[in-house]
Amino acid sequence: EDQVTQSPEALRLQEGESSSLNCSYTVSGLRGLFWYRQDPGKGPEFLFTLYSAGEEKEKERLKATLTKKESFLHITAPKPEDSATYLCAVQASSGGGADGLTFGKGTHLIIQP
Amino acid sequence: NAGVTQTPKFRVLKTGQSMTLLCAQDMNHEYMYWYRQDPGMGLRLIHYSVGEGTTAKGEVPDGYNVSRLKKQNFLLGLESAAPSQTSVYFCASRRPGLLSGANVLTFGAGSRLTVL
Repeated sequence: EDQVTQSPEALRLQEGESSSLNCSYTVSGLRGLFWYRQDPGKGPEFLFTLYSAGEEKEKERLKATLTKKESFLHITAPKPEDSATYLCAVQASSGGGADGLTFGKGTHLIIQP
Repeated sequence: NAGVTQTPKFRVLKTGQSMTLLCAQDMNHEYMYWYRQDPGMGLRLIHYSVGEGTTAKGEVPDGYNVSRLKKQNFLLGLESAAPSQTSVYFCASRRPGLLSGANVLTFGAGSRLTVL
């Protein structure tokens, strides 16, 4: 069974204080690992897809990295508008659920001015 | 370009009532999904469809039915609502394939359902 565990559950940072969110996973053959951002009252919004260990992707203050067992979402010098819940999900090559994603429970990030 | 549109956005039901949530996408995506999101549980797959006229069960299908009569629409039905079905429901869609971008889910804004 595919599993995704995100930590911490919640994180409060000061504006400009860099940190990392963790996503550890077990999957029978990784097809892709996804990061989404979710704002209150809205649907998840796609950020990144990572396909193989060692891969990195960046977007503004966010950088996602991938190893064989986990992924990190690094946030550099965050701003209050980066406050959101960040979701990690995996897609297995086994093809279950029409390749639907298995999601973690998310990390609720608050950036204080 | 509206993307994925869900209606209604909010609904309150009494136990035993029935209702249908509608999801419409204008991106010509083949695959469509219904998820539910509960506090402390994350997003869980209810049902999905790989094309017009097809549906299949996901992780938590009990108490729900779905239909995909048109490619752009995916309906989620509750025949006899129960308090355990109080949740936020998200519809998502994507196009099939393994090329970059093909497996990215586009989500709707969600439908918040309360069953009393």
